[in-house]
Amino acid sequence: VQLQESGPGLVNPSETLSLTCTVSGGTVSIGSYYWNWIRQSPGKGLEWIGYVYFDGRTSYSPSLKSRVTMSVDTSTNQFSLHLTSVTAADTAVYYCVRQVLYDYVGGDYRYFYYFDSWGQGTLVTVSS
Amino acid sequence: IVLTQSPGTLSLSPGERATLSCRASRNVDSSHLAWYQQKPGQAPRLLIYSSSTRAPGIPDRFSASGSGTGFTLTISRLEPEDFAIYYCQLFDTSVNTFGQGTKLEI
Repeated sequence: VQLQESGPGLVNPSETLSLTCTVSGGTVSIGSYYWNWIRQSPGKGLEWIGYVYFDGRTSYSPSLKSRVTMSVDTSTNQFSLHLTSVTAADTAVYYCVRQVLYDYVGGDYRYFYYFDSWGQGTLVTVSS
Repeated sequence: IVLTQSPGTLSLSPGERATLSCRASRNVDSSHLAWYQQKPGQAPRLLIYSSSTRAPGIPDRFSASGSGTGFTLTISRLEPEDFAIYYCQLFDTSVNTFGQGTKLEI
């Protein structure tokens, strides 16, 4: 599977950051994956933003929850991120990432929740 | 849950053994703990999942263990390409959390 982020590389402060992830070589419609957004500010560590499930269920980071919306489009095999009221602190490389929920191991399903496939990342700069 | 990695930076030489720590603020399900390697300009790469299972294609010099609140990633004999930043990650109650990372430098 391959994931590819797309969207504006420059966003004005106070506006909404919108990104789309296109999934190829696989489908977002499988129930064994979560579809995540993770970001990394320059020189900093990884920050989980949230995930969307194939049926539209979501979970967001508590620190970003008030500003984040994610959705999935099974017809186009894409999922998206919207982050409102951005500031310079939202400047980061944004990754779309597939998370494996479970594997079939030894005749049983076991839950693991690891990130196995990452997009290359896209730098979004918040600046006027 | 907070994941605390130590040390922040580890300075070693090729051929040496590296031991990286990830500590959780409370007991966690070890099946939901993973490790990643990130090199400059690249996306992270999965090394270990379920605390101790190597991902496909990961060399056997990488090993990991742990349970409860304490987890360890060990690189038995460092190769030049192993110098990178390492992150632990946990899934708990529908939330993902990363440690702050350990930079492994020459």
